[in-house]
Amino acid sequence: GAVVSQHPSRVICKSGTSVKIECRSLDFQATTMFWYRQFPKQSLMLMATSNEGSKATYEQGVEKDKFLINHASLTLSTLTVTSAHPEDSSFYICSARVGQGANEQYFGPGTRLTVT
Amino acid sequence: GNSVTQMEGPVTLSEEAFLTINCTYTATGYPSLFWYVQYPGEGLQLLLKATKADDKGSNKGFEATYRKETTSFHLEKGSVQVSDSAVYFCALIRGSTLGRLYFGRGTQLTVWP
Repeated sequence: GAVVSQHPSRVICKSGTSVKIECRSLDFQATTMFWYRQFPKQSLMLMATSNEGSKATYEQGVEKDKFLINHASLTLSTLTVTSAHPEDSSFYICSARVGQGANEQYFGPGTRLTVT
Repeated sequence: GNSVTQMEGPVTLSEEAFLTINCTYTATGYPSLFWYVQYPGEGLQLLLKATKADDKGSNKGFEATYRKETTSFHLEKGSVQVSDSAVYFCALIRGSTLGRLYFGRGTQLTVWP
């Protein structure tokens, strides 16, 4: 149980285009989903927290107009990287949590984005 | 504030060696503590967790004990295998932060046969 999927696993896009990454909780309803970014050989950086049906809360320094997050249902959250630039190339990981507080998070397998 | 400090890697061991990866934390109150493992090109998998002081989390031969007096959660394994090669992240959650995970920098472990 507690499986989180991400799609696509890898994507290559050209500068200036937009890319959408999906995060789904397959066998549970996620009240909260988190989006992280990971640079090579570094830790995960929290980008934003999203709750179903409400606006995402972005971490300081993350451009909300560039990284659009939509949490449309209890099993789906999407991250859209708009007007992508090569510096947006990274590994994006989502996680999902059931309930509130200190409950553990379940992580997706990640999406490797390369902007050319 | 809340933070996690991990020993810097990389750590290189021979198969069957003993492993310790140190982790200390700063947090007010009583956080829950986690170890996650990340294999190359993959997302994170929960390895083990502990939710209160003196709890011991264990899984796949790995262990970590929640030590409130030393604010530590060191990861140990008695005999590592080549398949344990991965990046290991220590993390904490405080309930009042609505489930936000605070991660350490990660420690790369490489095990040679």
